Amino acid sequence: AQTVTQSQPEMSVQEAETVTLSCTYDTSESDYYLFWYKQPPSRQMILVIRQEAYKQQNATENRFSVNFQKAAKSFSLKISDSQLGDAAMYFCAYKREYGNKLVFGAGTILRVKS
Amino acid sequence: GAVVSQHPSWVICKSGTSVKIECRSLDFQATTMFWYRQFPKQSLMLMATSNEGSKATYEQGVEKDKFLINHASLTLSTLTVTSAHPEDSSFYICSASPWRSYNEQFFGPGTRLTVL
Repeated sequence: AQTVTQSQPEMSVQEAETVTLSCTYDTSESDYYLFWYKQPPSRQMILVIRQEAYKQQNATENRFSVNFQKAAKSFSLKISDSQLGDAAMYFCAYKREYGNKLVFGAGTILRVKS
Repeated sequence: GAVVSQHPSWVICKSGTSVKIECRSLDFQATTMFWYRQFPKQSLMLMATSNEGSKATYEQGVEKDKFLINHASLTLSTLTVTSAHPEDSSFYICSASPWRSYNEQFFGPGTRLTVL
């Protein structure tokens, strides 16, 4: 079974600074999808970024980028120019290529200091 | 586009009563919907996967008779918590995958259930 590990229960970052959230996963499959979701205090899950395992290029979405290391099974999220609105719980998630279930990590609470 | 709604957003009920939570995909057809449970500051725990027109598939440890799931149409799935007890108090989240798009999953805003 696939597992997703987020080893940082909480992280803090100063406004305008950069922070990196870690995620590792375990799978025996070669094709799959990885996601970062944001859950702000409203608790609405918001997709931040998605990475297809077959793509070597790291995904980016404005201030959000990932460092996808397939061999190391690592999928970290970098948030640049952090803003107060980035404060949230961030979940890393894995999905098999031909399945639709998401496997979530435990989450990382990100606090942004002004 | 790709909006999922849940109703109600919060509900308080007495122990022993049943509560129904609706999950609707507003602007797309969803062949598959998922129900999650989330405790404070914890991750989402998948309870069951429901496919339109068929029985839901429950995750190990989830009581089928306690959490009844119905997916009667391509835009509506319901979760009924039967004979609710205080330990069923939690935040319930649904998500939906569009027809023929396994790689997308859109989440509802969640329902907070409090059982007195």
